[in-house]
Amino acid sequence: DTAVSQTPKYLVTQMGNDKSIKCEQNLGHDTMYWYKQDSKKFLKIMFSYNNKELIINETVPNRFSPKSPDKAHLNLHINSLELGDSAVYFCASSQDRRSPLHFGNGTRLTVT
Amino acid sequence: AQTVTQSQPEMSVQEAETVTLSCTYDTSENNYYLFWYKQPPSRQMILVIRQEAYKQQNATENRFSVNFQKAAKSFSLKISDSQLGDTAMYFCAFMKPLTGNQFYFGTGTSLTVIP
Repeated sequence: DTAVSQTPKYLVTQMGNDKSIKCEQNLGHDTMYWYKQDSKKFLKIMFSYNNKELIINETVPNRFSPKSPDKAHLNLHINSLELGDSAVYFCASSQDRRSPLHFGNGTRLTVT
Repeated sequence: AQTVTQSQPEMSVQEAETVTLSCTYDTSENNYYLFWYKQPPSRQMILVIRQEAYKQQNATENRFSVNFQKAAKSFSLKISDSQLGDTAMYFCAFMKPLTGNQFYFGTGTSLTVIP
């Protein structure tokens, strides 16, 4: 009965490759997010979707493209991976304007 | 933009003792929410406690409580009777309620509970 699930848990790939991370939430939440946590543990928002509509798109390279096929899914596709993309990527969701974030368990991406 | 500052990168506490983690934030908003999240070595992000800015009363969840000082823009977390399982990174977060809710996180405090 996992609330926010993301796959894969670990992803090791070479520079220049294209990869995707999938996220699904079964909480019925309206808003989903992607966060990046760097090596210093700093959490920064990348994207936010509300009912499949892009709401927040922080300054991230356009190699990163979110896709929301429906309200319960928000996938992250990354083209032409670079060494600096190595990080932990968290998917999260929230119900409404007063609700906290519910996080997935994160995907550790390592680019070699 | 809102900023959240956690001035203690690392802290330690003896098991069963009490520890307070500090957090300050900067905002011109009057209506907002504050949260503390815990990230143990498993890297899962776990909600510890939340506070609504319009509520004067400090939030409490079992051994965790906050000291919310709205005028001072301060939101500290007190952990009583510290347990080994409390060892984790703790993140303070500010949320401005909008469509799509904007969350801003502090840089985290690494807490170690010493047996």
